[in-house]
Amino acid sequence: EIVMTQSPAALSVSPGERTTLSCRASQSVSSNLAWYQQRPGQAPRLLIYGTSTRATGIPARFSGSGSGTEFTLTISSLQSEDFAVYCCQQYNNWPLTFGGGTKVEIK
Amino acid sequence: EVQLVESGGGLVQPGGSLRLSCAASGFTFSSYWMTWVRQAPGKGLEWVASIKQDGSEKYYVDSVKGRFTISRDNAKNSLYLQMNSLRAEDTAVYYCAREGSVWAYWGQGTLVTVSS
Repeated sequence: EIVMTQSPAALSVSPGERTTLSCRASQSVSSNLAWYQQRPGQAPRLLIYGTSTRATGIPARFSGSGSGTEFTLTISSLQSEDFAVYCCQQYNNWPLTFGGGTKVEIK
Repeated sequence: EVQLVESGGGLVQPGGSLRLSCAASGFTFSSYWMTWVRQAPGKGLEWVASIKQDGSEKYYVDSVKGRFTISRDNAKNSLYLQMNSLRAEDTAVYYCAREGSVWAYWGQGTLVTVSS
């Protein structure tokens, strides 16, 4: 099983700031990496797939990069609606696995 | 508009069984892999199982193998998860999602609570 590790577990950011979230895989997942956003009480929302392709309707302030075992999600200018939990997910191998998530809180 | 509506959750005793359903609409159900993902209270997401369009391939997370069965009825546009020998650690919100590996469409989830 591929273990996905996210860091940090939580961070406090001011609106308008840029923030970068990290995700590490225990072995290479090639570019088969997705990012999701989840707000309290809601289903996850797909942000990025294929490491760097934004899903339909996702604003350009969200971007993804990386390959192999190291990946990042960058939010260029945090908006109020962006304060949420973000998790990465690999789909290179079964079982499909998620990271534990990074909670982005308002500073 | 793609819609996925889960049902069948509830309170069940350890060792009991439950069958979850997911009613799909707004797309050609038979053309897509389908998946169940769960989230324990206050915890992260966990992929549970995925099924191919015609049901010929199924994949499960190790922790549910032999206890859970994913199935589908393409004539009814429905996805199912039969859960047997339920344990306390199966307590979670269960989501159905369209596609086998990356999920742009999710249902609202149904809560399964395993407790005596």
